[in-house]
Amino acid sequence: AQTVTQSQPEMSVQEAETVTLSCTYDTSESDYYLFWYKQPPSRQMILVIRQEAYKQQNATENRFSVNFQKAAKSFSLKISDSQLGDAAMYFCAYRSAHGSSNTGKLIFGQGTTLQVKP
Amino acid sequence: EAQVTQNPRYLITVTGKKLTVTCSQNMNHEYMSWYRQDPGLGLRQIYYSMNVEVTDKGDVPEGYKVSRKEKRNFPLILESPSPNQTSLYFCASSFRRSAGQNNSPLHFGNGTRLTVT
Repeated sequence: AQTVTQSQPEMSVQEAETVTLSCTYDTSESDYYLFWYKQPPSRQMILVIRQEAYKQQNATENRFSVNFQKAAKSFSLKISDSQLGDAAMYFCAYRSAHGSSNTGKLIFGQGTTLQVKP
Repeated sequence: EAQVTQNPRYLITVTGKKLTVTCSQNMNHEYMSWYRQDPGLGLRQIYYSMNVEVTDKGDVPEGYKVSRKEKRNFPLILESPSPNQTSLYFCASSFRRSAGQNNSPLHFGNGTRLTVT
């Protein structure tokens, strides 16, 4: 079974600085998708960025980028020029791409709470 | 506006009193699912549905029921709630999981905070 681990329960960053949130996962599959979701105090789940495992190029969305290391099964999120609005809980998630294990399920990590200091 | 609508947003109930959390999506998505979020555990899948009249258990289905009589609706039913079902619940939907579409992102509702005393 696949698992996702976020080893940092809490992180803090100074406004305008850069922060990296860690995520590791375990799978025997070769084809899958990885996601980062943001959950602000409003509880809404907001997709930040996604990565297809077959793509070597790291995904980027404005100030958000990932460092995808397939061999190491690592998928970290880098937030550049941090803003107060970035304060939230961030979840890393895994989704199988195909095959008998493909139930469409997202497997989530435990979450990392990010505090942004002004 | 494309969205997943859950109701109610907050719910406090007592042990054993049946309740239903409704979920509706207006994006014509075939795939729908329910998750619960607990501190330190992230989100875990309760049930999912690939299409109308097709439902299956996720990782933590005990104590829950679902139905999918219409494409847009996917209610979560707690026949006899217990305090260990106190949690934050999310409904989510996406296009079907068939090849090439499984990276379509899940669209989440705004969550239902359930407290069972």
